[in-house]
Amino acid sequence: GAVVSQHPSWVICKSGTSVKIECRSLDFQATTMFWYRQFPKQSFMLMATSNEGSKATYEQGVEKDKFLINHASLTLSTLTVTSAHPEDSSFYICSARVAEAYGYTFGSGTRLTVV
Amino acid sequence: SQQGEEDPQALSIQEGENATMNCSYKTSINNLQWYRQNSGRGLVHLILIRSNEREKHSGRLRVTLDTSKKSSSLLITASRAADTASYFCATLSGYSTLTFGKGTMLLVSP
Repeated sequence: GAVVSQHPSWVICKSGTSVKIECRSLDFQATTMFWYRQFPKQSFMLMATSNEGSKATYEQGVEKDKFLINHASLTLSTLTVTSAHPEDSSFYICSARVAEAYGYTFGSGTRLTVV
Repeated sequence: SQQGEEDPQALSIQEGENATMNCSYKTSINNLQWYRQNSGRGLVHLILIRSNEREKHSGRLRVTLDTSKKSSSLLITASRAADTASYFCATLSGYSTLTFGKGTMLLVSP
């Protein structure tokens, strides 16, 4: 089945530093990937839609300069949290749409803690 | 923005019992999907039901969809301790993005 590999699984960083999260589609090409954020014990909020070869589309309220998304190839999308602050601590997860009948496949998520 | 609202927020049952979770949504949809999340980890796709379907089965899972009421239910029969997880419904409208509900935390005790 379609697999999306997401790395790292968890990361701790200092305030002010940047963190890059990668999502790779292993056995299919993903022209579009989606980035979500989940606060503790809450649901998944869409942050942005990543399109291969073009600019990402950000949801309202998401700072595009803070959450940089790059989708340079059909199998790789990255999310960089720039100048991280403790309030950016969260669970970030990516997904790709494989086929309508199979729903979306998700990465394993990245737990970011900013100290 | 949140589309779905699940209830209950939390559900605690014994092994062997059935677990029913409900999801309501607000706008027209193409399909509705249920996902599972184990203890703050990734999401696993469980089942998808199209807007023109009313019921679907997959193993111990049974999903119903009532588009007139804009609601869906997920039934897990003969639950096991390993079913302990959070369950989320998500709706797809157009060729667009998934919108998730708030989730139900299910605890199955041995």
